[in-house]
Amino acid sequence: DAGVIQSPRHEVTEMGQEVTLRCKPISGHNSLFWYRQTMMRGLELLIYFNNNVPIDDSGMPEDRFSAKMPNASFSTLKIQPSEPRDSAVYFCASSLAGRKGETQYFGPGTRLLVL
Amino acid sequence: AQSVTQLDSHVSVSEGTPVLLRCNYSSSYSPSLFWYVQHPNKGLQLLLKYTSAATLVKGINGFEAEFKKSETSFHLTKPSAHMSDAAEYFCVVSDGTGGFKTIFGAGTRLFVKA
Repeated sequence: DAGVIQSPRHEVTEMGQEVTLRCKPISGHNSLFWYRQTMMRGLELLIYFNNNVPIDDSGMPEDRFSAKMPNASFSTLKIQPSEPRDSAVYFCASSLAGRKGETQYFGPGTRLLVL
Repeated sequence: AQSVTQLDSHVSVSEGTPVLLRCNYSSSYSPSLFWYVQHPNKGLQLLLKYTSAATLVKGINGFEAEFKKSETSFHLTKPSAHMSDAAEYFCVVSDGTGGFKTIFGAGTRLFVKA
């Protein structure tokens, strides 16, 4: 199995530009999670989906952030417009069904730098 | 509400000596608890998890953790540290509330000296 796939691995952009991060979960997994990791705030859950439906987006920092999951094999996290404080590593993770006790499998992350 | 506290932000050990990374949790329900490891510039990988079966859980690379309900702790241990264990370790709790949201601790960075 290829594991969770994220693209791009690195992104450098200028303030005000739109950024789109992509994630392909493990085939057969029904839950998908987006996390943000920074030195100051650690690992934060932004949003998670179950069966392509957003279940909890309370971690999304503000309206500039949006996430979609149009089908079981693809999700995007979009930042528009981007700001320097959005610089972080963004991880996508998937699990079989999002139940308590299930392992989440993490992708390698996208390192975002907003200048 | 559920929460998790990792008691040490940094731990430094010598190669060959025991490792202890401490984690306390808070949960109103029977929690599931996890330890993940993150090597530099990598994603997170599951080390081990507790899901209400045996309280002593064995994981990969010689790590183990013991669930102690009376102390609300889930400390991670390894008898003998190896240089390759140098990484950041996250304790995670999930108790089924909030739609099975998982809460990550702040992380403990483990340094291993030769």
